[in-house]
Amino acid sequence: EDKVVQSPLSLVVHEGDTVTLNCSYEVTNFRSLLWYKQEKKAPTFLFMLTSSGIEKKSGRLSSILDKKELFSILNITATQTGDSAVYLCAVGVLNRDDKIIFGKGTRLHILP
Amino acid sequence: DAGVIQSPRHEVTEMGQEVTLRCKPISGHNSLFWYRQTMMRGLELLIYFNNNVPIDDSGMPEDRFSAKMPNASFSTLKIQPSEPRDSAVYFCASTLILDRAGGYTFGSGTRLTVV
Repeated sequence: EDKVVQSPLSLVVHEGDTVTLNCSYEVTNFRSLLWYKQEKKAPTFLFMLTSSGIEKKSGRLSSILDKKELFSILNITATQTGDSAVYLCAVGVLNRDDKIIFGKGTRLHILP
Repeated sequence: DAGVIQSPRHEVTEMGQEVTLRCKPISGHNSLFWYRQTMMRGLELLIYFNNNVPIDDSGMPEDRFSAKMPNASFSTLKIQPSEPRDSAVYFCASTLILDRAGGYTFGSGTRLTVV
């Protein structure tokens, strides 16, 4: 059975700290790995990764994929209170239609 | 584009009643997905459509749940009869199947409470 596991489930840090969120997966026919941020409503897209070892970066957020070890990390540097959210990892499955399987998320809380 | 539009935003209903959730995908997207989110189980895929055809409904919890997509711009998820354990946020998402840039676009969700 395809699965996506995120760790930690929850994380509380102080503003200015750097955090690393983990995502491991087991899927057949891997297509892509995606990171989403969910605040109060719908998940919003952060990154899509398809190739190993190539870092994607957006401001203070960055992510990298290791297709050999089947995991990805999401780094947030110099955290701010606005980074508080649930971060969801999802894996796209390559078949004739695009299906995405989500992990349960990491709930990140940044203390001022 | 207005994005993926879901209605209603909130629904409170009594156990045993029929509930219908609605979704309008982004124009031009040809895949549509219904997800349910709870604290315990996270985001679960219920069913998805491609070109209005249901492809995989293995996530639909039981016969009380049904989904339709009569055309490219509208889908419904129906629960009949509803039960308290159906209380969750239900998200609809759409994507263009060949879109390799950004994954899905989610609607704002419908928060369902069954009392």
